[in-house]
Formats: sequence, C-alpha cells, structure tokens
Amino acid sequence: SQKIEQNSEALNIQEGKTATLTCNYTNYSPAYLQWYRQDPGRGPVFLLLIRENEKEKRKERLKVTFDTTLKQSLFHITASQPADSATYLCALMFSGGYNKLIFGAGTRLAVHP
Amino acid sequence: GAVVSQHPSWVICKSGTSVKIECRSLDFQATTMFWYRQFPKQSLMLMATSNEGSKATYEQGVEKDKFLINHASLTLSTLTVTSAHPEDSSFYICSARPQSRNEQFFGPGTRLTVL
Repeated sequence: SQKIEQNSEALNIQEGKTATLTCNYTNYSPAYLQWYRQDPGRGPVFLLLIRENEKEKRKERLKVTFDTTLKQSLFHITASQPADSATYLCALMFSGGYNKLIFGAGTRLAVHP
Repeated sequence: GAVVSQHPSWVICKSGTSVKIECRSLDFQATTMFWYRQFPKQSLMLMATSNEGSKATYEQGVEKDKFLINHASLTLSTLTVTSAHPEDSSFYICSARPQSRNEQFFGPGTRLTVL
C-alpha cells in the first residue's frame, strides 16, 4: 500500500540546536517533495520544494535532502528558535495531472528556550 | 505575494443546512485550486481539485453532490457543504497553485461546526 510516514511523536529540542525531521514514503514515485509548516488552527505555509533529481536544497536556516533510492527526505532547521515550534508536513507531488499533493500526518516540533 | 484568503474563518450551522466557503487568491491567478479537509491531529486529506471553467475532480470517497465546488474565475473557488451533518464538522482548507509554478499556497482555513 502507499504510505507517507512522519514521526508521530513530537520532537523536543533545545534552542540553538539543529532539528531533523524525517519523511519516508513507500510505493510512490514523486516528481517533487515539499515541506510545509502548520501552526494550530491555521493553513499550511510553504517552505521548500525539492525535485526528484536534486539531492539537497537550502533556504536560510532550512535544509532539505531527498533520496529517491531510500524514498526518504530529511528536513533540517539549524540554530532552532522557540518561534520554529510548529507542525511540519511533508507532501509528495506527482508530475502530470493537476500536480495534486499527498500529505504526511506531520511531526510536531517544540523548541525550548 | 501569493496570498490566499478564505471566508468565513469559522461557521456554526444547524444540521440540514448548507454552508458556502469562499477561497480567493488575492495577488495571483490560479488555474487550479484544491480543497482539503483536516480532522484534529490528522493530515490534510485532499477532497477535490478545482479548475477554472471546468468541473471539479473529486477524490475517491468524496461525494460530489454533497460537496459542491464552483471555480468561477481565476481567483475564486467556492465549496458548498450541502445538507450538513455533525460528521461534516471539520477544518476545511483551500489552496491555490499559481500558473507555471509547482508550489501550492494555502488559505487560513475554515472551521465548520454542525450542531
């Protein structure tokens, strides 16, 4: 069956450390993988997109890796801050059609001062 | 840029009534808009894909006669929940994809509570 798995347990880290979140998928061949941030009671906010032929993408304190052999993406936040506390969602996108997204359930990150 | 609004942000209605939710892309044109539903502590579930000027494409298990979608223009899509029941209570979120881009930009969501 097709699955997208993100750590269901919350990730608690200390301010200033690097947070690493994992997204694994099975029986999908996405053309793109995207990461979103969602705060309680709000819609997701787009963070980064990485293509299947890209290994790594960076944006300020964020870094995403994409390994299509392992079927895994890692999302890193360096020098984390309490304001980074939120739920982070990975989403797969497939070429063709209308480019719909399939979302994982998300991982909640809590950064403690 | 790339702002999407939703209206209303929350609505409470009686069972059996219909509720309309609007989704607007404020500063870009979107040929494609998407409607999602999210239950507490769960992932976003795609309900349907809406294209301007054509019929919406519904995901498996989503009743098209219950969730009516109209994509009236390149900046507006509406979702009408017809004859709402308590089990329809959820967080409804729309997104819009700018032309020639792959990212989706999401609205702030609408909390629907059916009594």
